[in-house]
Amino acid sequence: DAGVIQSPRHEVTEMGQEVTLRCKPISGHDYLFWYRQTMMRGLELLIYFNNNVPIDDSGMPEDRFSAKMPNASFSTLKIQPSEPRDSAVYFCASMERGETQYFGPGTRLLVL
Amino acid sequence: DAKTTQPNSMESNEEEPVHLPCNHSTISGTDYIHWYRQLPSQGPEYVIHGLTSNVNNRMASLAIAEDRKSSTLILHRATLRDAAVYYCILKDTGRRALTFGSGTRLQVQP
Repeated sequence: DAGVIQSPRHEVTEMGQEVTLRCKPISGHDYLFWYRQTMMRGLELLIYFNNNVPIDDSGMPEDRFSAKMPNASFSTLKIQPSEPRDSAVYFCASMERGETQYFGPGTRLLVL
Repeated sequence: DAKTTQPNSMESNEEEPVHLPCNHSTISGTDYIHWYRQLPSQGPEYVIHGLTSNVNNRMASLAIAEDRKSSTLILHRATLRDAAVYYCILKDTGRRALTFGSGTRLQVQP
């Protein structure tokens, strides 16, 4: 298996633009997580899905952020409009019905 | 979530054992102790986890104190590739997400 796949790996955009981050989880995994990492706040959970259904979105910063999982092999995290404070590394992780999460390589977002 | 306390940084020499401590005095009976590490410019990766008994796998060993208020991740022979931030995380069996602290940054000297 190729592991968790995220795209793009790097994104540079201007304030106000829409940003869409993509994630393909490991096949067969029924949990998908989105985390964000910044120097100030470290790694923090944004949202997670179980069987494509959002379970906990309490970490989503505000209405500018939205996440979807239309099927078991694809999820998106969208920021609209983007702001400089959204600059961070965004990680997607997936998990089977167990204890181990597998993280993707991350998307490094810079909002100018 | 119960809180963990780890040293900010540690240094080790290559091919020597490394003991990474973690204090979790408020751990509850259903909290598992997980360790993840994050290599530079990569996503976190699972290392090991346990509940009460010591655990071994190909990457590391986890030694858990009898009262479970502390644990130690043991890398038996550090390599340069082990230089990373190591996170000690408590996770209740009913919880799915991970709550990361600031971790311990391990430097390995050749």
